[in-house]
Amino acid sequence: GAGVSQSPRYKVTKRGQDVALRCDPISGHVSLYWYRQALGQGPEFLTYFNYEAQQDKSGLPNDRFSAERPEGSISTLTIQRTEQRDSAMYRCASSTGQGAAFFGQGTRLTVV
Amino acid sequence: DAKTTQPNSMESNEEEPVHLPCNHSTISGTDYIHWYRQLPSQGPEYVIHGLTSNVNNRMASLAIAEDRKSSTLILHRATLRDAAVYYCMGLRNRDDKIIFGKGTRLHILP
Repeated sequence: GAGVSQSPRYKVTKRGQDVALRCDPISGHVSLYWYRQALGQGPEFLTYFNYEAQQDKSGLPNDRFSAERPEGSISTLTIQRTEQRDSAMYRCASSTGQGAAFFGQGTRLTVV
Repeated sequence: DAKTTQPNSMESNEEEPVHLPCNHSTISGTDYIHWYRQLPSQGPEYVIHGLTSNVNNRMASLAIAEDRKSSTLILHRATLRDAAVYYCMGLRNRDDKIIFGKGTRLHILP
């Protein structure tokens, strides 16, 4: 596609439910990044992949959060047993691995 | 990751140049200096990056100090649309995570 696509754009879920957020990177981009952003704050690094390999998951807050990129393209960020504190904008970015990273529009997650 | 230091906020008048500073005294010799910005209600947007030489593109110029301990992002003629949070960071060119600090909030006065 022309840019990084994230879906859904908005997700409202009840506390305790699992959610899966999808990121479709720019075709051919090697690196894929996930971030979480609270209102008024900068993006908080969660994890990133080169191809299908998860290079760093040090930013994942706890073991309820996981991410995968099984074929080196689309990635899914999964949050199990959601809590209200998980409410945030979740952003995905991709890059060739050299230079610019391009961000998607984000998924606004609200846990009620 | 190289630790970076930026002023919390800056103001500039519309149609004037803006110089946004960044200190990165712990940067390694092979780290590239990257700048991103985030406009209100938008995702981060790549601005520019460089290694040693000054760099120019359609958005901005990047002036890198000779000792590479600091750099300056230059917006040659600020517009109201340039009001954003600007982030600098040091990155290996390959295989590196992009970490955002607190950035500089740039206000443009009409």
